Amino acid sequence: AQKITQTQPGMFVQEKEAVTLDCTYDTSDPSYGLFWYKQPSSGEMIFLIYQGSYDQQNATEGRYSLNFQKARKSANLVISASQLGDSAMYFCAMREGRGTYKYIFGTGTRLKVLA
Amino acid sequence: DTEVTQTPKHLVMGMTNKKSLKCEQHMGHRAMYWYKQKAKKPPELMFVYSYEKLSINESVPSRFSPECPNSSLLNLHLHALQPEDSALYLCASSQDKGGSRNTEAFFGQGTRLTVV
Repeated sequence: AQKITQTQPGMFVQEKEAVTLDCTYDTSDPSYGLFWYKQPSSGEMIFLIYQGSYDQQNATEGRYSLNFQKARKSANLVISASQLGDSAMYFCAMREGRGTYKYIFGTGTRLKVLA
Repeated sequence: DTEVTQTPKHLVMGMTNKKSLKCEQHMGHRAMYWYKQKAKKPPELMFVYSYEKLSINESVPSRFSPECPNSSLLNLHLHALQPEDSALYLCASSQDKGGSRNTEAFFGQGTRLTVV
C-alpha cells in the first residue's frame, strides 16, 4: 500500500518570500515518481515539478524546487519569491513505476500569499 | 498541444437522469484516468484505461460506467446518481510505461457535477 502525507492543511507566506510545503510518502516499490500539482479555485490540476526515485539531483523548474530526501521518504516543494498568483491548493502525488500507472494524492496544503 | 479538454464544465442532473462526461486529449497518451474530487479533498482515482482497455476500477459503483472509444477519447456515463455523487470530476492522461521519464499526468479543468 502506498501513502502520501501532507501535514500542513494551510500555510501563509509574504509576497516575495520563499515557502516550503511538506510531503512524505510511503512505498515498497523501488521505482516511483513524485509530483507536485497546483489547483487554483478554478479546479484544474496544474503540474509543477517531477522527481524520479532514481534521480540523483533535486528537481528544479523555475521558481519551484523539490527537496528530495529519499532515506527520509520526503519530497518537499520549495517555492521561491512567492507571488500573489501562487495562492492555491498544492497536492503532492506519487506514481508507482510498475504496470499501469496510478497517481495517488496527498490531502493537500492551501497556500495563501499575503501582499 | 498539452491540453486535456473536458465537457461540459458544469452539469446539473436529476437522480433519474442519464448523462455523460467527455474527455479528449491529443498528446498521444495511452493512459487515461477518471478522478472524483469532493470539496476540500484530494482527487480520488476511479478508473484507469491503458491502451483503450479498462485497467483499473477502484471499486466504483456501477452507476458510473466508463468508456474509451479510441485513444483520444474517454467518457464517463452516469445513471441513477445520488446527491452524494456531486463533485468535481477530473479527467487526466499520461504517457505509457514505455514513454518519456517525465510521466506526469495532465489534467483537464474538470466537470462540476451537481445531482439534485
